[in-house]
Amino acid sequence: QVQLVQSGVEVKKPGASVKVSCKASGYTFTTYGISWVRQAPGQGLEWLGWISPFNGNANYAQKLQGRVTMTTDMSTSTVYMEMRSLTSDDTAMYYCARGLAEFDFWGQGTLVTVSS
Amino acid sequence: DIQMTQSPSILSASVGDTVTITCRASQAIGDWLAWYQQKPGNAPKLLIYKASIFHSGVPSRFSGSGSGTEFTLTIRSLQPDDFATYYCQHYNNMWTFGQGTKVEIK
Repeated sequence: QVQLVQSGVEVKKPGASVKVSCKASGYTFTTYGISWVRQAPGQGLEWLGWISPFNGNANYAQKLQGRVTMTTDMSTSTVYMEMRSLTSDDTAMYYCARGLAEFDFWGQGTLVTVSS
Repeated sequence: DIQMTQSPSILSASVGDTVTITCRASQAIGDWLAWYQQKPGNAPKLLIYKASIFHSGVPSRFSGSGSGTEFTLTIRSLQPDDFATYYCQHYNNMWTFGQGTKVEIK
């Protein structure tokens, strides 16, 4: 069965970087893109970016351009999302989700807390 | 950028009711729209894609319609499991979510 398993809780100080992983299984890794979506406490869903495991092409939300990088590791079917220069506004649950258009499978989420 | 606006933000309803959530796009998007359900502490779940196509396993009491700029999600005969927050999402190289509609018990 399709599964996306994310890395664990992260606590970071302002100005630091965080790298969250999303390991895919149960399907051909290169067939579907992976997006990252975050949800601040009590807030809605915000799309952060998308990467194609097939060719590594990535597309990021404009407000995060230059601060986020998404990469893939074909050998382990894992997608990574790195965010730099963290502020308290980046405190959120971060989800990876599979899909070329709609997102049909989601990871369980990774809580990232940014606090001094 | 295309903006997605959902209404209402909160919807109070009872078990057995039929409820409708509206999602409006700031410009025409064809039928490139999906609907998700999210319960507290859980990741969103896909309900509908391409405006009206059921995702696998979604109960038939859920239905989606619309094209262009106006879309609706209808839940007939609301069940206790349906009290949740619902999001619309547009996709076309970039992805944009509506702000969400919380369906709560009246």
